[in-house]
Amino acid sequence: DAGVIQSPRHEVTEMGQEVTLRCKPISGHNSLFWYRQTMMRGLELLIYFNNNVPIDDSGMPEDRFSAKMPNASFSTLKIQPSEPRDSAVYFCASSYRTGDGYTFGSGTRLTVV
Amino acid sequence: EDQVTQSPEALRLQEGESSSLNCSYTVSGLRGLFWYRQDPGKGPEFLFTLYSAGEEKEKERLKATLTKKESFLHITAPKPEDSATYLCAVQHSGATNKLIFGTGTLLAVQP
Repeated sequence: DAGVIQSPRHEVTEMGQEVTLRCKPISGHNSLFWYRQTMMRGLELLIYFNNNVPIDDSGMPEDRFSAKMPNASFSTLKIQPSEPRDSAVYFCASSYRTGDGYTFGSGTRLTVV
Repeated sequence: EDQVTQSPEALRLQEGESSSLNCSYTVSGLRGLFWYRQDPGKGPEFLFTLYSAGEEKEKERLKATLTKKESFLHITAPKPEDSATYLCAVQHSGATNKLIFGTGTLLAVQP
């Protein structure tokens, strides 16, 4: 298995632009998670899906952030409009069942200038 | 509120010098405690899950232990390739599947 695949690996954008991050989970995994990692706050859960349904989005910072999972093999995290404070590494992870460890992707490093 | 605190923030060891990393947690019902390793520029890599106090898991030079309030990651005779950030996370025993992470311990092992 290729693991969890994220794209792009790096994204540099100007403040106010729309940014879309993409994730393909491991086939057969039914839970998908979006995390954000910064030096100051570490890994923060933004949202997670179970069987393509959003279960907990309490970590989404504000209305500028939205996430979708249209099918079991694809998810997007969108930021519109982007701001410099959104600069971070965004990770997607998936798991097969509750209690299993997650498998993380390699992350997308987002820089908003 | 669920909380995870890791110490120390950073640790420098000589090759072969054994030590332990600490993860203290507060959670109203623990389903599992997870340890991950993260290398620079990569996503966290799963190491262990511990489910109940007294449980131990081992993998090569690493051994994880769990009590009702904390977990330790013991590193025996470390090598430079063990250098990484080690992350601890807890999963609540409720219906949720989410993990709450600590901020990690940055381990550097010098040859």
